[in-house]
Amino acid sequence: DIQMTQSPSSVSASVGDSVTITCRASQYISSWVAWYQQKPGKAPNLLIYGASSLQSGVPSRFSGSGSGTDFTLTINSLQPEDFATYFCQQTDSFPITFGQGTRLEIK
Amino acid sequence: QVQLQESGPGLVKPSETLSLTCTVSGGSISGYYWSWIRQSPGGRLEWMGNVYYSGGTNDNPSLKSRVTMSVDTSKNLFSLKVSAVTAADTAVYYCARQATRSGRLDYWGQGTLVTVSP
Repeated sequence: DIQMTQSPSSVSASVGDSVTITCRASQYISSWVAWYQQKPGKAPNLLIYGASSLQSGVPSRFSGSGSGTDFTLTINSLQPEDFATYFCQQTDSFPITFGQGTRLEIK
Repeated sequence: QVQLQESGPGLVKPSETLSLTCTVSGGSISGYYWSWIRQSPGGRLEWMGNVYYSGGTNDNPSLKSRVTMSVDTSKNLFSLKVSAVTAADTAVYYCARQATRSGRLDYWGQGTLVTVSP
């Protein structure tokens, strides 16, 4: 199985800050990465797919980059509704696997 | 707007079979993979497998062949069965639509908590 290692596991930031979350795959996966946001008691919500394509309806302050094994999710100008947990996911091969999550907290 | 809704028992006894159904509304089940994902009490997400609208399946080897998935295009729903459950199968279970090309999970159900307990 392809392992997805996210860092950091948690991060504190203030409204208006920028934050970057990284995800490293245990092997080459081209650009087959998606990112999700999850709020307590809710299902994950797709933000980014294909490493850098913004899902319809997602604010442009969210962006993704990377290819191969190293990927990043950047959130610019943090808004109060952005404080949540974020997961990366690889879709290169079965079984699909997720990172362990990054909790974004208000400082 | 595509919507998914999981349904099934919230409590299952150890060694029995967990059965869930996901009903799709607002769109056709054709042309997509349909996935099951579960989230442990600790927050980890585990992809369990998917079923193509034509009936083919892919499952996660970590579940040791305990998973059966099926689709009913006439009713626009798909189903999951997990046999020989233990307390480790206690989780929130989600169904989701999976795009065939990118593999992204773009629509999710709200999730249903299944507890395995005597």
